[in-house]
Amino acid sequence: RKEVEQDPGPFNVPEGATVAFNCTYSNSASQSFFWYRQDCRKEPKLLMSVYSSGNEDGRFTAQLNRASQYISLLIRDSKLSDSATYLCVVPSAHSGAGSYQLTFGKGTKLSVIP
Amino acid sequence: DAGVIQSPRHEVTEMGQEVTLRCKPISGHNSLFWYRQTMMRGLELLIYFNNNVPIDDSGMPEDRFSAKMPNASFSTLKIQPSEPRDSAVYFCASSPVPGGDTDTQYFGPGTRLTVL
Repeated sequence: RKEVEQDPGPFNVPEGATVAFNCTYSNSASQSFFWYRQDCRKEPKLLMSVYSSGNEDGRFTAQLNRASQYISLLIRDSKLSDSATYLCVVPSAHSGAGSYQLTFGKGTKLSVIP
Repeated sequence: DAGVIQSPRHEVTEMGQEVTLRCKPISGHNSLFWYRQTMMRGLELLIYFNNNVPIDDSGMPEDRFSAKMPNASFSTLKIQPSEPRDSAVYFCASSPVPGGDTDTQYFGPGTRLTVL
């Protein structure tokens, strides 16, 4: 299994639709996870953190299934402004240094259509 | 507050030339990361520093790449000699505290490098 794997999409959905992205990871020791959002020709920015079974922030819900090593991001009532690439991110401990680095998935591209 | 600052924003150079990318992390952040992003490979970590010390450079593609962090407010990524396959967007990111898997990384706007 790749370290972090995502469906690349693109997902083309109409405004108001609900869309879900999936992500699988290989490092079973990871304790926390992130979803970053990257707009076209911009830098990635943190969207949500997931520390336990899940997290909800407005229209966005992230869920974690540790047994299956699976993370999902659900967007309800999609807006045009949600069009972006969504990156699944998994920390991995750097042995001996007590510090962490992030491994990014290649991202899932979402286009919300009027 | 200023975010992570990178320069130049765009760089076009010819194969064989030396390229230097610059990064100023957010003040007070102790960790600094250099990433490269391409369509084919996505976002890849090249190297990261904690308290100005390189921790992991296993992502640096080859000896043509080098990175330094002489102080807490400045880092460089150098490519010498550059090759067309180095064309990519190079991001610098910083985070507040060394370690801690809950720390958010804040990215700079990136440098778009084109090697002809």
